[in-house]
Amino acid sequence: AQKITQTQPGMFVQEKEAVTLDCTYDTSDQSYGLFWYKQPSSGEMIFLIYQGSYDEQNATEGRYSLNFQKARKSANLVISASQLGDSAMYFCAMMGISSGSARQLTFGSGTQLTVLP
Amino acid sequence: DAGVTQSPTHLIKTRGQQVTLRCSPKSGHDTVSWYQQALGQGPQFIFQYYEEEERQRGNFPDRFSGHQYPNYSSELNVNALLLGDSALYLCASSLYRRNTIYFGEGSWLTVV
Repeated sequence: AQKITQTQPGMFVQEKEAVTLDCTYDTSDQSYGLFWYKQPSSGEMIFLIYQGSYDEQNATEGRYSLNFQKARKSANLVISASQLGDSAMYFCAMMGISSGSARQLTFGSGTQLTVLP
Repeated sequence: DAGVTQSPTHLIKTRGQQVTLRCSPKSGHDTVSWYQQALGQGPQFIFQYYEEEERQRGNFPDRFSGHQYPNYSSELNVNALLLGDSALYLCASSLYRRNTIYFGEGSWLTVV
Protein backbone atom coordinates (compact mmCIF):
# COMPACT_ATOMS: atom_id res chain seq x y z
CA ALA A 1 0.00 0.00 0.00
CA GLN A 2 1.12 3.53 -0.70
CA LYS A 3 0.23 6.83 0.87
CA ILE A 4 1.11 10.41 -0.03
CA THR A 5 0.64 13.25 2.44
CA GLN A 6 0.63 16.91 1.47
CA THR A 7 0.09 18.96 4.60
CA GLN A 8 -0.17 22.42 2.99
CA PRO A 9 -3.64 22.97 1.52
CA GLY A 10 -2.60 26.44 0.36
CA MET A 11 0.61 28.40 -0.05
CA PHE A 12 1.40 31.99 -1.02
CA VAL A 13 4.67 33.21 -2.49
CA GLN A 14 5.86 36.54 -3.80
CA GLU A 15 6.76 36.70 -7.46
CA LYS A 16 10.47 35.96 -8.11
CA GLU A 17 10.91 34.25 -4.76
CA ALA A 18 11.47 30.51 -4.17
CA VAL A 19 8.86 28.26 -2.58
CA THR A 20 8.94 24.71 -1.18
CA LEU A 21 5.92 22.42 -1.37
CA ASP A 22 6.00 19.57 1.11
CA CYS A 23 5.35 15.90 0.39
CA THR A 24 5.84 12.86 2.57
CA TYR A 25 5.15 9.29 1.54
CA ASP A 26 4.83 5.77 2.80
CA THR A 27 5.21 2.59 0.81
CA SER A 28 6.06 -1.09 1.09
CA ASP A 29 7.70 -1.12 -2.34
CA GLN A 30 11.48 -1.44 -2.41
CA SER A 31 11.74 0.56 -5.60
CA TYR A 32 9.46 3.44 -6.34
CA GLY A 33 9.15 6.65 -8.28
CA LEU A 34 8.05 10.04 -7.02
CA PHE A 35 6.31 12.54 -9.27
CA TRP A 36 5.13 16.11 -9.12
CA TYR A 37 2.33 17.38 -11.32
CA LYS A 38 0.87 20.87 -11.81
CA GLN A 39 -2.86 21.24 -12.38
CA PRO A 40 -4.16 24.64 -13.55
CA SER A 41 -7.83 25.43 -13.27
CA SER A 42 -8.34 24.01 -16.78
CA GLY A 43 -7.83 20.53 -15.33
CA GLU A 44 -4.88 19.18 -17.29
CA MET A 45 -2.31 17.37 -15.15
CA ILE A 46 1.10 18.66 -16.27
CA PHE A 47 4.17 16.53 -15.50
CA LEU A 48 6.92 18.53 -13.76
CA ILE A 49 9.60 16.25 -12.36
CA TYR A 50 10.41 12.62 -11.49
CA GLN A 51 12.71 11.06 -8.89
CA GLY A 52 13.52 7.37 -8.67
CA SER A 53 14.08 5.92 -5.22
CA TYR A 54 17.56 4.73 -6.17
CA ASP A 55 18.65 7.93 -7.87
CA GLU A 56 21.58 9.32 -5.92
CA GLN A 57 21.14 12.90 -7.03
CA ASN A 58 18.10 15.08 -6.60
CA ALA A 59 16.17 15.62 -9.81
CA THR A 60 16.08 19.04 -11.43
CA GLU A 61 14.06 20.34 -14.38
CA GLY A 62 14.60 24.01 -15.10
CA ARG A 63 13.14 26.01 -12.19
CA TYR A 64 11.89 22.84 -10.50
CA SER A 65 13.95 20.68 -8.19
CA LEU A 66 12.99 17.78 -6.01
CA ASN A 67 14.49 17.65 -2.53
CA PHE A 68 14.52 13.89 -1.93
CA GLN A 69 15.29 12.68 1.59
CA LYS A 70 14.79 8.93 1.58
CA ALA A 71 15.34 8.35 5.29
CA ARG A 72 12.68 10.95 6.11
CA LYS A 73 10.41 9.69 3.31
CA SER A 74 10.03 13.16 1.95
CA ALA A 75 10.05 14.47 -1.62
CA ASN A 76 9.57 18.23 -1.47
CA LEU A 77 9.22 20.31 -4.63
CA VAL A 78 11.23 23.52 -4.82
CA ILE A 79 10.19 26.14 -7.36
CA SER A 80 12.77 28.87 -7.84
CA ALA A 81 12.04 32.39 -9.13
CA SER A 82 8.26 32.02 -8.94
CA GLN A 83 6.18 33.39 -11.80
CA LEU A 84 2.53 34.43 -11.88
CA GLY A 85 1.87 31.49 -14.21
CA ASP A 86 2.99 29.11 -11.48
CA SER A 87 -0.30 29.70 -9.65
CA ALA A 88 -2.02 26.30 -9.72
CA MET A 89 -2.71 23.14 -7.74
CA TYR A 90 0.36 20.95 -7.25
CA PHE A 91 0.15 17.22 -6.66
CA CYS A 92 2.77 14.85 -5.35
CA ALA A 93 2.37 11.25 -6.49
CA MET A 94 4.18 7.94 -6.28
CA MET A 95 4.27 4.58 -8.00
CA GLY A 96 5.94 1.28 -7.23
CA ILE A 97 8.46 0.35 -9.92
CA SER A 98 9.62 -3.06 -8.72
CA SER A 99 8.96 -5.98 -11.08
CA GLY A 100 5.87 -7.02 -9.14
CA SER A 101 4.59 -3.54 -8.40
CA ALA A 102 1.21 -2.27 -9.43
CA ARG A 103 2.06 0.46 -11.92
CA GLN A 104 -0.51 2.99 -10.79
CA LEU A 105 -0.04 6.47 -9.40
CA THR A 106 -1.13 7.30 -5.87
CA PHE A 107 -1.73 11.01 -5.40
CA GLY A 108 -1.75 13.33 -2.42
CA SER A 109 -4.51 15.84 -1.76
CA GLY A 110 -2.61 18.69 -3.38
CA THR A 111 -1.34 22.16 -2.49
CA GLN A 112 -2.88 25.27 -4.03
CA LEU A 113 -0.05 27.69 -4.80
CA THR A 114 -0.79 31.37 -5.35
CA VAL A 115 1.95 33.65 -6.66
CA LEU A 116 1.49 37.27 -5.64
CA PRO A 117 2.65 40.16 -7.86
CA ASP B 1 3.72 15.31 -31.73
CA ALA B 2 0.19 15.15 -30.35
CA GLY B 3 -0.15 14.77 -26.63
CA VAL B 4 -2.88 12.86 -24.85
CA THR B 5 -6.28 13.87 -26.20
CA GLN B 6 -9.61 13.31 -24.51
CA SER B 7 -13.22 13.82 -25.55
CA PRO B 8 -15.63 15.22 -24.74
CA THR B 9 -14.25 18.01 -22.58
CA HIS B 10 -17.51 18.65 -20.75
CA LEU B 11 -20.76 16.75 -20.52
CA ILE B 12 -23.89 16.60 -18.40
CA LYS B 13 -25.78 13.36 -17.83
CA THR B 14 -28.85 12.37 -15.85
CA ARG B 15 -28.69 9.93 -12.97
CA GLY B 16 -29.12 6.36 -14.23
CA GLN B 17 -27.78 7.08 -17.71
CA GLN B 18 -24.62 5.70 -19.25
CA VAL B 19 -21.57 7.64 -20.47
CA THR B 20 -18.58 6.89 -22.69
CA LEU B 21 -15.38 8.90 -22.48
CA ARG B 22 -12.61 8.60 -25.05
CA CYS B 23 -8.84 8.92 -24.96
CA SER B 24 -6.07 8.87 -27.55
CA PRO B 25 -2.64 8.32 -26.00
CA LYS B 26 0.48 10.27 -26.80
CA SER B 27 2.15 9.15 -30.00
CA GLY B 28 4.33 6.10 -29.33
CA HIS B 29 2.62 5.16 -26.07
CA ASP B 30 0.87 1.80 -25.73
CA THR B 31 -0.64 1.95 -22.24
CA VAL B 32 -3.66 3.92 -21.09
CA SER B 33 -4.79 4.46 -17.52
CA TRP B 34 -7.91 6.20 -16.28
CA TYR B 35 -8.26 8.27 -13.12
CA GLN B 36 -11.23 9.89 -11.40
CA GLN B 37 -10.72 13.22 -9.65
CA ALA B 38 -13.54 14.43 -7.44
CA LEU B 39 -13.71 18.13 -6.63
CA GLY B 40 -11.02 19.15 -4.14
CA GLN B 41 -9.28 15.77 -4.15
CA GLY B 42 -6.36 14.08 -5.83
CA PRO B 43 -6.98 11.66 -8.71
CA GLN B 44 -7.91 8.05 -7.93
CA PHE B 45 -6.80 5.17 -10.18
CA ILE B 46 -9.65 3.38 -11.98
CA PHE B 47 -7.90 0.91 -14.29
CA GLN B 48 -5.12 0.42 -16.82
CA TYR B 49 -5.18 -1.07 -20.32
CA TYR B 50 -2.34 -2.61 -22.27
CA GLU B 51 -2.55 -4.87 -25.32
CA GLU B 52 -6.32 -4.42 -25.28
CA GLU B 53 -6.64 -6.03 -21.85
CA GLU B 54 -7.36 -4.60 -18.43
CA ARG B 55 -4.11 -5.09 -16.52
CA GLN B 56 -4.84 -3.43 -13.20
CA ARG B 57 -7.92 -2.14 -11.48
CA GLY B 58 -8.45 0.22 -8.59
CA ASN B 59 -11.26 0.18 -6.07
CA PHE B 60 -14.11 0.99 -8.43
CA PRO B 61 -17.35 -0.96 -8.98
CA ASP B 62 -18.15 -2.97 -12.09
CA ARG B 63 -20.25 -0.05 -13.36
CA PHE B 64 -16.91 1.28 -14.54
CA SER B 65 -15.62 -0.58 -17.57
CA GLY B 66 -13.21 0.11 -20.35
CA HIS B 67 -11.82 -0.91 -23.66
CA GLN B 68 -8.61 -0.46 -25.60
CA TYR B 69 -8.45 -0.62 -29.37
CA PRO B 70 -5.60 -1.89 -31.58
CA ASN B 71 -4.49 1.70 -32.20
CA TYR B 72 -4.07 2.04 -28.39
CA SER B 73 -6.95 4.46 -27.98
CA SER B 74 -9.25 3.74 -25.07
CA GLU B 75 -12.77 4.25 -23.78
CA LEU B 76 -14.11 4.53 -20.26
CA ASN B 77 -17.74 3.52 -19.81
CA VAL B 78 -19.80 4.22 -16.73
CA ASN B 79 -23.25 2.65 -16.38
CA ALA B 80 -26.12 3.57 -14.06
CA LEU B 81 -24.65 6.96 -13.27
CA LEU B 82 -24.84 8.24 -9.72
CA LEU B 83 -24.59 11.82 -8.53
CA GLY B 84 -21.27 10.84 -6.91
CA ASP B 85 -19.80 10.00 -10.30
CA SER B 86 -19.58 13.72 -11.03
CA ALA B 87 -15.85 14.34 -11.41
CA LEU B 88 -12.98 15.11 -13.74
CA TYR B 89 -11.93 11.96 -15.57
CA LEU B 90 -8.28 11.94 -16.56
CA CYS B 91 -6.61 9.71 -19.08
CA ALA B 92 -2.90 8.98 -18.71
CA SER B 93 -0.62 7.39 -21.28
CA SER B 94 2.78 5.76 -21.07
CA LEU B 95 4.86 2.95 -22.42
CA TYR B 96 4.05 -0.27 -20.57
CA ARG B 97 5.80 -0.40 -17.20
CA ARG B 98 7.74 2.77 -17.92
CA ASN B 99 7.85 5.70 -15.54
CA THR B 100 7.04 8.65 -17.80
CA ILE B 101 3.33 9.27 -17.58
CA TYR B 102 1.47 12.02 -19.38
CA PHE B 103 -2.10 13.15 -18.78
CA GLY B 104 -4.75 14.61 -21.01
CA GLU B 105 -6.85 17.65 -20.21
CA GLY B 106 -9.63 15.52 -18.83
CA SER B 107 -13.36 15.15 -19.29
CA TRP B 108 -15.58 17.01 -16.85
CA LEU B 109 -18.66 14.88 -16.10
CA THR B 110 -21.63 16.33 -14.24
CA VAL B 111 -24.45 13.98 -13.19
CA VAL B 112 -27.74 15.68 -12.36
